[in-house]
Amino acid sequence: QVQLVESGGGLVKPGGSLRLSCAASGFTFSDYYMSWIRQAPGKGLEWVSYISSSGSTIYYADSVKGRFTISRDNAKNSLYLQMNSLRAEDTAVYYCARWQQWLVRYFDYWGQGTLVTVSS
Amino acid sequence: EIVLTQSPGTLSLSPGERATLSCRASQSVSSSYLAWYQQKPGQAPRLLIYGASSRATGIPDRFSGSGSGTDFTLTISRLEPEDFAVYYCQQYGSSPFFGGGTKVEIK
Repeated sequence: QVQLVESGGGLVKPGGSLRLSCAASGFTFSDYYMSWIRQAPGKGLEWVSYISSSGSTIYYADSVKGRFTISRDNAKNSLYLQMNSLRAEDTAVYYCARWQQWLVRYFDYWGQGTLVTVSS
Repeated sequence: EIVLTQSPGTLSLSPGERATLSCRASQSVSSSYLAWYQQKPGQAPRLLIYGASSRATGIPDRFSGSGSGTDFTLTISRLEPEDFAVYYCQQYGSSPFFGGGTKVEIK
């Protein structure tokens, strides 16, 4: 069965950095686009970034562009999110999700999330 | 940028009742790009509907999606206790985007 397991969250000071990881299993990771989505405490869902199956195509939300970098290692079945210059408003649960890109557009599998707290 | 507006914000219903949730887009959206998710407290979202009307794997047939253009609807024909949750619609324009959510609570 498809499993996505995030790690790397924690408490970080404003201006600091953090790297999130997502370990995938149960499917051919290299065949799929992947994405990060976040949810601030008590708020709705916000798409952050997605990356194509090969890593050659990448998109970011305007709110994180220039500060966050998405990447993947298909040999390790892993997705990453490098977060720099963190702000209080980046505090959220970050979910890794598989992104269906062909003819339709939706996130079909989600991890359980990892909490990032940006606070002094 | 396309904006998705979900209504109502909160829906108070009893088990066994019918729930009708609305998702309105600020401009026309391809039906292929409209999805619905369910989220329970402390859990990740779960895909319910994709392509506006196709149920995801394992989703009971009491859940149905419809609509086109700018107006989309998620219907739960008879609410079960486990259906009380927050529901989000999602579209894809130049990037994925979510509506603000509708909370379905027990009356």
